[in-house]
Amino acid sequence: GIQVEQSPPDLILQEGANSTLRCNFSDSVNNLQWFHQNPWGQLINLFYIPSGTKQNGRLSATTVATERYSLLYISSSQTTDSGVYFCAVERGDYKLSFGAGTTVTVRA
Amino acid sequence: DVKVTQSSRYLVKRTGEKVFLECVQDMDHENMFWYRQDPGLGLRLIYFSYDVKMKEKGDIPEGYSVSREKKERFSLILESASTNQTSMYLCASSIRTASASNEKLFFGSGTQLSVL
Repeated sequence: GIQVEQSPPDLILQEGANSTLRCNFSDSVNNLQWFHQNPWGQLINLFYIPSGTKQNGRLSATTVATERYSLLYISSSQTTDSGVYFCAVERGDYKLSFGAGTTVTVRA
Repeated sequence: DVKVTQSSRYLVKRTGEKVFLECVQDMDHENMFWYRQDPGLGLRLIYFSYDVKMKEKGDIPEGYSVSREKKERFSLILESASTNQTSMYLCASSIRTASASNEKLFFGSGTQLSVL
């Protein structure tokens, strides 16, 4: 199946800092999504972004499908940004494959 | 906002019991999914459904079955629970559009199942 690699595995930030999370995938995809899992376990969909760039508040994402990677940018991080960020991809068969996640800790 | 509701947050069952996990979504989504999440193994797809009465196996269907009699409801069934099915179970739904069979996925809050 398709392989999804996320980096870095862990990230510690001071409040107010900016950061970039990366997602590499091993095959062409027609679906790529970013999720945030908060400390209570709730998974929130951040972006549906099979290609191009999108922005939502302090978060933005870019997917370069031809080069098989996506980036998630967090600007002016806040403690509420803490949690695990997952990238997930699909090749058109409804089966989203998830990466192992990046654990982000934002310190006040 | 999309709401995906799972019937229980925590559930404790005995080995060999039949277990039902229920999931309801309120946005008329065509697609529904069951995942399990385990430390070190991430999220893995158990079963999904792209229409009423339709079901497809995911990556780890063994030991599970599903039922989708109505569009808004998708049930996961453990016919005879075993200790290795102790896990966090997550239900999700998504819409089908003209350009994408499976758009933005919305998750429920999860059911932590313990099988003793």
